[in-house]
Amino acid sequence: AQSVTQPDIHITVSEGASLELRCNYSYGATPYLFWYVQSPGQGLQLLLKYFSGDTLVQGIKGFEAEFKRSQSSFNLRKPSVHWSDAAEYFCAVGTGFQKLVFGTGTRLLVSP
Amino acid sequence: EAGVAQSPRYKIIEKRQSVAFWCNPISGHATLYWYQQILGQGPKLLIQFQNNGVVDDSQLPKDRFSAERLKGVDSTLKIQPAKLEDSAVYLCASSLDAQETQYFGPGTRLLVL
Repeated sequence: AQSVTQPDIHITVSEGASLELRCNYSYGATPYLFWYVQSPGQGLQLLLKYFSGDTLVQGIKGFEAEFKRSQSSFNLRKPSVHWSDAAEYFCAVGTGFQKLVFGTGTRLLVSP
Repeated sequence: EAGVAQSPRYKIIEKRQSVAFWCNPISGHATLYWYQQILGQGPKLLIQFQNNGVVDDSQLPKDRFSAERLKGVDSTLKIQPAKLEDSAVYLCASSLDAQETQYFGPGTRLLVL
């Protein structure tokens, strides 16, 4: 069965600094991988997804993620964080676009 | 385009009571999902509908949880009777089809006392 590990529960980044959120997955076949963001009181919003092709995927709001099969990782990055990026970020792996298994999330705090 | 709508947004009940949540998916979306998100955890799929048929309910506690999607549009999720451990956010998501991106609603936050 597939699983996702997000090792960082909380991360604090200064505004304007770069960001990397870690995600490791376990899945027997080629995975479908997703990053979602959840702001307080809001539903999850899809940032980006990967299922084939170029291993570096671009998403909304300036985010990108890189699929590394050898490391079973799909880390999320942003070169310069804005205060509005403070939220909880979830990595998910799926059998296609359905049957998503989510990680426990990483809460991003942005300091001035 | 209107997003996924859910109501109520918040609900407080006592254990052993029953509760129902409602979801209106994005217009035209054939696939509908209900997730349970316990505090500190990621969402967990409870049930998936394709139109008005159940595709996957393997993680739905069927002794107390039930869900239906009449006419393949709106859906309701019911808990009867509720337990303390049912306190969570219940998220509804929809997608154009099962092989398309899921769009999530704002969720219903349930507190069972």
